[in-house]
Amino acid sequence: DQQVKQNSPSLSVQEGRISILNCDYTNSMFDYFLWYKKYPAEGPTFLISISSIKDKNEDGRFTVFLNKSAKHLSLHIVPSQPGDSAVYFCAASAGAQKLVFGQGTRLTINP
Amino acid sequence: GAGVSQSPSNKVTEKGKDVELRCDPISGHTALYWYRQRLGQGLEFLIYFQGNSAPDKSGLPSDRFSAERTGESVSTLTIQRTQQEDSAVYLCASSLERRNYGYTFGSGTRLTVV
Repeated sequence: DQQVKQNSPSLSVQEGRISILNCDYTNSMFDYFLWYKKYPAEGPTFLISISSIKDKNEDGRFTVFLNKSAKHLSLHIVPSQPGDSAVYFCAASAGAQKLVFGQGTRLTINP
Repeated sequence: GAGVSQSPSNKVTEKGKDVELRCDPISGHTALYWYRQRLGQGLEFLIYFQGNSAPDKSGLPSDRFSAERTGESVSTLTIQRTQQEDSAVYLCASSLERRNYGYTFGSGTRLTVV
């Protein structure tokens, strides 16, 4: 039962343009959502989060949008930089429960 | 320490052997989590520790898997009689408190069962 889904295994974007990574979830009890970034041979690192009481959270070049009615969230990176090339994981939790992760999307930023 | 440390970084073992994976969390972090990532898959929750107790073991795939934590610090994940489907990267994370969702992950142990 995949409660958090990232349907795009990969995404390629030109440097300087906007990268949009998408995530869908099925559990309506989820109330906290996070994005993690992972480089090869390293552990995932926390990027940005959003509570279900909000629909947008911004941190520098990174913005997360939450659409609760559609059970959808997205991560926008603008402008995209070569160092943004990594695997991005969406994660969600219900109350104080464990994080449930999606399968990841490999983002490649082309110069 | 400065970060979450896991050892070994790589482990190749023969099918049927037991393996032990170690995690040193960030000092003072009371919550500790084990996840694994099989090839092409997302991060799969295994077990959560709060202090030395494990209130959520729901992700352990079989009774061949066990974990313990001592001194609110080091944790070991033990896999007995390893099978090829156990091959994965095993990731440990720690956080200051249960509701601090900014988990800090280690670099993982890549386990290959041959």
